[in-house]
Amino acid sequence: AQTVTQSQPEMSVQEAETVTLSCTYDTSENNYYLFWYKQPPSRQMILVIRQEAYKQQNATENRFSVNFQKAAKSFSLKISDSQLGDTAMYFCAFTLTQGGSEKLVFGKGTKLTVNP
Amino acid sequence: KAGVTQTPRYLIKTRGQQVTLSCSPISGHRSVSWYQQTPGQGLQFLFEYFSETQRNKGNFPGRFSGRQFSNSRSEMNVSTLELGDSALYLCASSLVPSSWTGGVNEQYFGPGTRLTVT
Repeated sequence: AQTVTQSQPEMSVQEAETVTLSCTYDTSENNYYLFWYKQPPSRQMILVIRQEAYKQQNATENRFSVNFQKAAKSFSLKISDSQLGDTAMYFCAFTLTQGGSEKLVFGKGTKLTVNP
Repeated sequence: KAGVTQTPRYLIKTRGQQVTLSCSPISGHRSVSWYQQTPGQGLQFLFEYFSETQRNKGNFPGRFSGRQFSNSRSEMNVSTLELGDSALYLCASSLVPSSWTGGVNEQYFGPGTRLTVT
């Protein structure tokens, strides 16, 4: 089965602290892409960070970084120096290729609240 | 550059009716995907269109259909609405499928259409 599991439905963190959101996935593909998307209360989904599965180096985007463990099929997101604007639903996803086309397979999401 | 736009933003329908949702991709983007988001099921893939052709379809009944026009704008239609169809419907656009470029295919999402079926 091609699935994504986010085991933490909700998390909270104090402003300026660091938080890690966990994600595990299951796929039989060898080459795929992993993503973290952020969906603030206004509902516009935006891409936070992406990782190519064939790259061993963990992706980093400013305060956001990932810990990608391919063998364990784990893809956690670390947010450093948390800000109030980081409050949102965070979705982990990977691309599934079928018949030359692709779709995103999403986890159920983690609701992150950053407290002042 | 304008982002992905979806109309209408909110919609209330009754059971048995049909509904059409519209999505305009980012200028130059030719691939459009649709997702249904519900609290229970999360985000689920509906279908993807590229060059007016449906390339991939999720596990949804035939009541869910879509199409893409020559200007890449896309519509999805749900017939004989059921209460369970209440959801946020998200549209996402990308330049071309990743399989064409061999690289990461970033999808840009619209704000969604909130459909409520009563």
